Amino acid sequence: AQTVTQSQPEMSVQEAETVTLSCTYDTSESDYYLFWYKQPPSRQMILVIRQEAYKQQNATENRFSVNFQKAAKSFSLKISDSQLGDAAMYFCAYRGYTSGTYKYIFGTGTRLKVLA
Amino acid sequence: DVKVTQSSRYLVKRTGEKVFLECVQDMDHENMFWYRQDPGLGLRLIYFSYDVKMKEKGDIPEGYSVSREKKERFSLILESASTNQTSMYLCASSPTSGGAIRQYFGPGTRLTVT
Repeated sequence: AQTVTQSQPEMSVQEAETVTLSCTYDTSESDYYLFWYKQPPSRQMILVIRQEAYKQQNATENRFSVNFQKAAKSFSLKISDSQLGDAAMYFCAYRGYTSGTYKYIFGTGTRLKVLA
Repeated sequence: DVKVTQSSRYLVKRTGEKVFLECVQDMDHENMFWYRQDPGLGLRLIYFSYDVKMKEKGDIPEGYSVSREKKERFSLILESASTNQTSMYLCASSPTSGGAIRQYFGPGTRLTVT
């Protein structure tokens, strides 16, 4: 069975600094997608960035980038130039396809605090 | 922009009551999902539906049922609410085209069962 593990329940970063959130996963599938979702306090969960497993190049979206290590099954999120608005719960997620069904699995989340 | 709405942001119900949580999406997505979110446990899938009147059990379906009579609406039903169902409930939708890659989430319903 697939699993997603986020080992950091909480992280803090100084405004304008860089922070990296960790995520590891386990799967026997070769074709899958990985995501980072952001859930601001009392607000809707939104997609931050996604990575296709078949792509070697790490995805980047403005200040957000990932370090995708397929062999190590690691998928970390780097936030550069952190802003107060980055404070949120971040979820790492996996999307596979097993037995004719899409399978979505989420990690337990990392709460990011941004210090002014 | 995709919009996923949920009928209530906050709900307080008594033990034993029948509870309906409704979710509506406006982008003609085939797939819809219900999750519950608990601190330290992340999001856990309760049920999902890949078409009208179709449903599949997720990881924690016990105590819940669902209904999807129309494509845009997916309802979660707690037949007899219990205190251990106090949680945040998130609805999501996803289009099948392109491989159902991305999910779009609603704002969530925080349910308290007393």
